[in-house]
Amino acid sequence: GAVVSQHPSRVICKSGTSVKIECRSLDFQATTMFWYRQFPKQSLMLMATSNEGSKATYEQGVEKDKFLINHASLTLSTLTVTSAHPEDSSFYICSARDVARGGDTEAFFGQGTRLTVV
Amino acid sequence: GQNIDQPTEMTATEGAIVQINCTYQTSGFNGLFWYQQHAGEAPTFLSYNVLDGLEEKGRFSSFLSRSKGYSYLLLKELQMKDSASYLCACMDSNYQLIWGAGTKLIIKP
Repeated sequence: GAVVSQHPSRVICKSGTSVKIECRSLDFQATTMFWYRQFPKQSLMLMATSNEGSKATYEQGVEKDKFLINHASLTLSTLTVTSAHPEDSSFYICSARDVARGGDTEAFFGQGTRLTVV
Repeated sequence: GQNIDQPTEMTATEGAIVQINCTYQTSGFNGLFWYQQHAGEAPTFLSYNVLDGLEEKGRFSSFLSRSKGYSYLLLKELQMKDSASYLCACMDSNYQLIWGAGTKLIIKP
């Protein structure tokens, strides 16, 4: 299957700093990527849909100025958590679909990023 | 509104069979996915159903009834490594995935 690479897998940062997470589709072009957050023992929560070359679409309750998403190319989307606070500590996961195969294809997930803000 | 329901937790014995149910209500329907997620890892794809019936893939099978808004994931010959959360997700008319909360499956020897 298609491969989505997410980096870093773990990051610890100080409160008030910013953290950038990268999501790359390695063997297909992803015009759309999705960013999720998952708190312990809870399901995936969609934060935003990242569209190549245009602004991301954020879900209700997600601060777009805090979670900056850039999808500059067909294979790379980045999520930057700005001015991180301890409550932003979570597991962040990106996913992408190979739209060339049709809109109803499976989502391929990155490995996830465990963010801890101290 | 859109809603996906699945049990929070299930326990089964190694070597046995377990069925994880999922019911859904979505705005349109473009298929149902099952994913497996081990603790601390990203989900991995298990199955996709868009037509009624049973899809078998090795020890795992998935069933769909569109008229009933119902699916199940059947795991046979359970192994300890099958201990994980199993996520049901539906694709709505906009091709957006709507996720269930996941079912934590505990396998006992």
